[in-house]
Amino acid sequence: ETGVTQTPRHLVMGMTNKKSLKCEQHLGHNAMYWYKQSAKKPLELMFVYSLEERVENNSVPSRFSPECPNSSHLFLHLHTLQPEDSALYLCASSQVIPGSGNTIYFGEGSWLTVV
Amino acid sequence: GQNIDQPTEMTATEGAIVQINCTYQTSGFNGLFWYQQHAGEAPTFLSYNVLDGLEEKGRFSSFLSRSKGYSYLLLKELQMKDSASYLCAVRDSNYQLIWGAGTKLIIKP
Repeated sequence: ETGVTQTPRHLVMGMTNKKSLKCEQHLGHNAMYWYKQSAKKPLELMFVYSLEERVENNSVPSRFSPECPNSSHLFLHLHTLQPEDSALYLCASSQVIPGSGNTIYFGEGSWLTVV
Repeated sequence: GQNIDQPTEMTATEGAIVQINCTYQTSGFNGLFWYQQHAGEAPTFLSYNVLDGLEEKGRFSSFLSRSKGYSYLLLKELQMKDSASYLCAVRDSNYQLIWGAGTKLIIKP
């Protein structure tokens, strides 16, 4: 139990489907993140929300749409994905304190397969 | 560009010691992290180094040399449960985390 919960753990969707990934953190943190993890590649930061404001986009395709309704919840809305989007999507959270270590804590991840 | 290098895979024997190296070239430096990730699970925080030297935490130690852009994670008295991927990440001058691709560690009996 990491304090960051993701659902669903596994998702198979067609290229024309619309689905959402959900993340909830129970750590009282003020920042949340979406990462993409593909085999043998570094973690790719997709989105960052700090104090519920999006602070980074990193040129992610518009078929991925984040939503952060409050500091504890984060969604990733998926629409018309491509097979190359199949990957492990990790949610994370941290307490942003300037000048500190700012360790991030990850959820278990959502395995996404696009068919 | 910014880059983190670590070996793709390493093999070690139960009870032995293994050192996983990480070299980095980043725009500034504000700390280096090591995470452990078992297959199908979340990455979990192992250590954080911001000053040069060795940080020891039980069987695991992490070393940093900022002048050399180098760190290593040392695992002693290896156990089968240590089989996992080990991720190195550096926080740059903009406080962004730059990640390595991870080192898969295989422990053999």
